[in-house]
Amino acid sequence: QVQLVQSGAEVKKSGASVKVSCKASGYTFTSYGISWVRQAPGQGLEWMGWISTYNGHSNSAQKVQGRVTMTTDTATSTAYMDLRDLTSDDTAVYYCARDVAVSGAGGYYFDYWGQGTLVTVSS
Amino acid sequence: EIVLTQSPGTLSLSPGERASLSCRASQNIITRYLVWYQQKLGQAPRLLMSSASRRATGIPDRFSGSGSGTDFTLTISRLEPEDFAVYYCQQYVTSPPTFGQGTKVEIE
Repeated sequence: QVQLVQSGAEVKKSGASVKVSCKASGYTFTSYGISWVRQAPGQGLEWMGWISTYNGHSNSAQKVQGRVTMTTDTATSTAYMDLRDLTSDDTAVYYCARDVAVSGAGGYYFDYWGQGTLVTVSS
Repeated sequence: EIVLTQSPGTLSLSPGERASLSCRASQNIITRYLVWYQQKLGQAPRLLMSSASRRATGIPDRFSGSGSGTDFTLTISRLEPEDFAVYYCQQYVTSPPTFGQGTKVEIE
């Protein structure tokens, strides 16, 4: 069965970086892109960015552009999200999710999600 | 980017009752490229519906989706105890994909 298993919770200081991993299993990793979605405490869902597991192309939301780097390791079927220059506004649960790309659609939706990784940023 | 507005913010109902959740888009989603997710406390979202009305694998038929253009609805015909959760709509017609702010269905 499809599974996305993320790394554990992190506590970081303002200005630091965090790297979250997402290990996929149960399907051909390079057949689906991976998106990262975050959720601040008590808030809704915010898409952060997407990476093609096939060729490594990525794009990110304007809000985090320049601070986020998404990568993949196809040998281990693992996706990574690196977020730099953290502030308290980055405190959130970070999810990886498998993309479903639909012909004719400019975006994608998400059929499987990781369990989430809580990142807490303190000053 | 397309803004999705969900209403109501909170729906207080009893098990067995019918729930209707609304999602309104700031632009016409002609292609009906809209999905619904369910999120329970402390869990990741779960895909319920794609293309506005196609149930995802394993989703019971008490869940149904409808709508077109800018107005979409998720209906739960008879609420079961496990249905009390937060529901989000999301559009994928354009990038970036955007979410509504959520509707919480709580036990009255």
